[in-house]
Amino acid sequence: AQSVTQPDIHITVSEGASLELRCNYSYGATPYLFWYVQSPGQGLQLLLKYFSGDTLVQGIKGFEAEFKRSQSSFNLRKPSVHWSDAAEYFCAVGARDNNAGNMLTFGGGTRLMVKP
Amino acid sequence: DGGITQSPKYLFRKEGQNVTLSCEQNLNHDAMYWYRQDPGQGLRLIYYSQIVNDFQKGDIAEGYSVSREKKESFPLTVTSAQKNPTAFYLCASSSLEGVAYNEQFFGPGTRLTVL
Repeated sequence: AQSVTQPDIHITVSEGASLELRCNYSYGATPYLFWYVQSPGQGLQLLLKYFSGDTLVQGIKGFEAEFKRSQSSFNLRKPSVHWSDAAEYFCAVGARDNNAGNMLTFGGGTRLMVKP
Repeated sequence: DGGITQSPKYLFRKEGQNVTLSCEQNLNHDAMYWYRQDPGQGLRLIYYSQIVNDFQKGDIAEGYSVSREKKESFPLTVTSAQKNPTAFYLCASSSLEGVAYNEQFFGPGTRLTVL
């Protein structure tokens, strides 16, 4: 079974500083990897996804993530954080199963706070 | 606009009562999912359905029930058997076309509070 670990529960960065959120996964085959963002009391919005090909993936809102198979990681990065980026971020690994369909396993989330 | 709607946004329940959360999608997706979210625990799968009139238990199905009578609707009932139902509930859907993985799209959520 797959699993996802987000080691940092909370991260605080200053506005304008760079950001890296860590994600490590465990999965036996080539994973489908996702980063979602959630504002308080809202649903999840997809930031970016990795299915195959180029290991550096560009997403919305200036985010990018790099898939590193050797490290089983899919870290999310942004060169300059804006106050509006304050939210909770979830990494997820997807598995396609003929019996179960498209399944997602989520990490515990990282709450990002942005200092002015 | 295509999307997923959940209602109500906030729901209060007395202990011992059953409540039903609504989830509707107009994306023509085959699969629908219910997740529960608690602080610090990410999202946990309650039930999922790939086709009308069929559904499967997820990781934490005890105390919950679902139905899938229409492709676009997947209501979740939180029964009195659920010992700790206060949480944020998220509905999602995805296409099952093709052989590749298809991403899940999420609704805005329902916050359930037991009084």
